[in-house]
Amino acid sequence: KAGVTQTPRYLIKTRGQQVTLSCSPISGHRSVSWYQQTPGQGLQFLFEYFSETQRNKGNFPGRFSGRQFSNSRSEMNVSTLELGDSALYLCASSLDGGAGANVLTFGAGSRLTVL
Amino acid sequence: GDSVTQMEGPVTLSEEAFLTINCTYTATGYPSLFWYVQYPGEGLQLLLKATKADDKGSNKGFEATYRKETTSFHLEKGSVQVSDSAVYFCALTLYNTDKLIFGTGTRLQVFP
Repeated sequence: KAGVTQTPRYLIKTRGQQVTLSCSPISGHRSVSWYQQTPGQGLQFLFEYFSETQRNKGNFPGRFSGRQFSNSRSEMNVSTLELGDSALYLCASSLDGGAGANVLTFGAGSRLTVL
Repeated sequence: GDSVTQMEGPVTLSEEAFLTINCTYTATGYPSLFWYVQYPGEGLQLLLKATKADDKGSNKGFEATYRKETTSFHLEKGSVQVSDSAVYFCALTLYNTDKLIFGTGTRLQVFP
């Protein structure tokens, strides 16, 4: 079956712009989470959605937001981009949340460069 | 707060050498523990996991044992291959959610 699909894979933006990233989870998975990966801060949790509700949120400013649709697809948005937002954004899905019991499957990521 | 500490890399080994990557954790509760691997240009793949003390996770020749007394989850492999070259991340989760707390990652380079 298809894995977690993230689009776009690469994008370049300038400071002050906004960006929307998309994630299609594995069919049947209802939980989607987002992570930011940078050389300096490593992998950091952004948020987790389950059945269209945000279940957990990481320590990021309000410029970072997300949502989940009824088909479990998710989007994240970053407004007023800063240079420090340049990162690989990873999406992951699981059957119903609870990485201890379920396998969390990651997508290949969307690499954002802010100039 | 909750955290994961991994040994600094890169770890450089010859093919068929023994691998150990150290991982220790601090957690307020009783976490589940994971090792993920990231190959160049790809996302993360779950390598193995353990959900309770003394559990041993294993996959593709890699093993790690959940040691509650030493709060550790060290990754081992008896004989590494060039194809094992990647970045390895130790992680934990609490409260049975998909919120993972990751270590900084350890780059492994295996030479023929």
